[in-house]
Amino acid sequence: GAVVSQHPSWVICKSGTSVKIECRSLDFQATTMFWYRQFPKQSLMLMATSNEGSKATYEQGVEKDKFLINHASLTLSTLTVTSAHPEDSSFYICSGGTGGQPQHFGDGTRLSIL
Amino acid sequence: LAKTTQPISMDSYEGQEVNITCSHNNIATNDYITWYQQFPSQGPRFIIQGYKTKVTNEVASLFIPADRKSSTLSLPRVSLSDTAVYYCLVVGSGGYNKLIFGAGTRLAVHP
Repeated sequence: GAVVSQHPSWVICKSGTSVKIECRSLDFQATTMFWYRQFPKQSLMLMATSNEGSKATYEQGVEKDKFLINHASLTLSTLTVTSAHPEDSSFYICSGGTGGQPQHFGDGTRLSIL
Repeated sequence: LAKTTQPISMDSYEGQEVNITCSHNNIATNDYITWYQQFPSQGPRFIIQGYKTKVTNEVASLFIPADRKSSTLSLPRVSLSDTAVYYCLVVGSGGYNKLIFGAGTRLAVHP
């Protein structure tokens, strides 16, 4: 149980492009999901908490206008990297779970901005 | 959120038992200890979670002393495929808790 699916798994695009990453909970309803970013050889860094039907909560230092999060349904949260630049290249991972249970993670999205 | 401290790296050989210890001195009464495994270019995978004493599942055991200020993840008879980064996290018991990852332990299993 508690399967999280993330799409796409890999994307390459030109600088200035906006990129949308989807995170779906396949067998549970997720009122809350989380978005992380991970640079090579580093740990996961929490970016924001995605709340169904309300605004996301961003961690300190994360630009909310740069990383748009939408959580319009109980099974889908999206992260849009707006006007992406090479420094936004990273591995983006989402997670979700039912209350009180261990969270489960998607397989991540490798974003490369040229 | 309680901070965790783990060794940065460990080396082992196939067939050996590996024990990774994590310190969490500021763990709160309602917090659980959770371990995740991460392979390159994949999301973390849940391994085991416990509150106190010992928890065992099909892949690992988790030992937690009475004071709960540390915990030890035990991997029996590791194989090459256990080479990964292992993260220890302290998680609150209620609601939907955000996870703050430390540096993790990079385990390398050698033939």
